[in-house]
Amino acid sequence: SQQGEEDPQALSIQEGENATMNCSYKTSINNLQWYRQNSGRGLVHLILIRSNEREKHSGRLRVTLDTSKKSSSLLITASRAADTASYFCATSRARSNDYKLSFGAGTTVTVRA
Amino acid sequence: KAGVTQTPRYLIKTRGQQVTLSCSPISGHRSVSWYQQTPGQGLQFLFEYFSETQRNKGNFPGRFSGRQFSNSRSEMNVSTLELGDSALYLCASSSIVGNTGELFFGEGSRLTVL
Repeated sequence: SQQGEEDPQALSIQEGENATMNCSYKTSINNLQWYRQNSGRGLVHLILIRSNEREKHSGRLRVTLDTSKKSSSLLITASRAADTASYFCATSRARSNDYKLSFGAGTTVTVRA
Repeated sequence: KAGVTQTPRYLIKTRGQQVTLSCSPISGHRSVSWYQQTPGQGLQFLFEYFSETQRNKGNFPGRFSGRQFSNSRSEMNVSTLELGDSALYLCASSSIVGNTGELFFGEGSRLTVL
């Protein structure tokens, strides 16, 4: 079963608007990562936030992490057509020999020109 | 620095056949992981290899196997193909074992089973 679940499943916004997507997970984590995937391509790493961090920025991206609620959000500011993609959160479980990333189902973002 | 290279990019097989997919990681990366991506199941972990040893395995049948060579290149094999094996197979490399850090993904091998 998937550890992370993204919300919403799909998002359509106008160029220049902000896009926010959320990720919820079930177990304690070491860190949480966000990846982007353009249609049918490989995944590209966007940002990693550790369990002891609450917020992280990278360019137009802002990620928050609330370990008490087991949730994270990804904000893309001033969206561009090139941001059209699927976005996945992935978690690494804490205190576990389960060495893998568990991916959510993803949020498909469409940025309209 | 060259990225992760997967070959072949596309392939079509028929039920009952077997397939071998190849992955060359980023130079210096010793961890190679494989993921299967399908519309219905999403991204599912297959296995991770580090220094030629399988470190972890996902919940896939024994028809799915892999190996890693001394130069860190990895192959995965699927035997007795089923229609449900149609998927995008993604390889990812990392400098850290255990998938706890950033993964660098290849473009994937899209397998269609007829």
